[in-house]
Amino acid sequence: GQQVMQIPQYQHVQEGEDFTTYCNSSTTLSNIQWYKQRPGGHPVFLIQLVKSGEVKKQKRLTFQFGEAKKNSSLHITATQTTDVGTYFCAGLSSGSARQLTFGSGTQLTVLP
Amino acid sequence: DGGITQSPKYLFRKEGQNVTLSCEQNLNHDAMYWYRQDPGQGLRLIYYSQIVNDFQKGDIAEGYSVSREKKESFPLTVTSAQKNPTAFYLCASKYGGSGNTIYFGEGSWLTVV
Repeated sequence: GQQVMQIPQYQHVQEGEDFTTYCNSSTTLSNIQWYKQRPGGHPVFLIQLVKSGEVKKQKRLTFQFGEAKKNSSLHITATQTTDVGTYFCAGLSSGSARQLTFGSGTQLTVLP
Repeated sequence: DGGITQSPKYLFRKEGQNVTLSCEQNLNHDAMYWYRQDPGQGLRLIYYSQIVNDFQKGDIAEGYSVSREKKESFPLTVTSAQKNPTAFYLCASKYGGSGNTIYFGEGSWLTVV
């Protein structure tokens, strides 16, 4: 079945440093979505990427979808303590099954 | 308010007992999902339902059961056959179609004592 690998599993950064998490799918995706889960909370949708090579920005967050639609990244510039949480990617398969598979998440800690 | 409501938020279960987690949505979403999350880990799909009276097994369905008698409701029963049920359970829903995002409930913490 489809697998979505996400790295790193954990990341500690000093406030103000940049942060990147990467997702790689075993199969070509129809789209990829990113979610953020604050400690003790539930995942909240951030963004969806659909087109090959697509890049989207949300303030300090930059999301990229690879040309082959098999990988994606989330980059945060100048992290703040409010960025703390776990970031998940979720890939939607492009076959007839249309299954959404979540990566294992990257837990970000921002040290003040 | 529109949204997804899960209850209870915290639940303790004795070994050998079945327990049912409730999930209700008033978003008029067609599809509903149950995920399990273990500490420090990602989301694993237990069951999903694309339409009323139909549901499919996810990656870790053993020891769980669901029903979808109404569009708004998708309860999950954790049976005594589930050997390691202590986890955080998340219900989610979305409109039909491939491109729509998933909305999550606030989750239910289940602890087996």
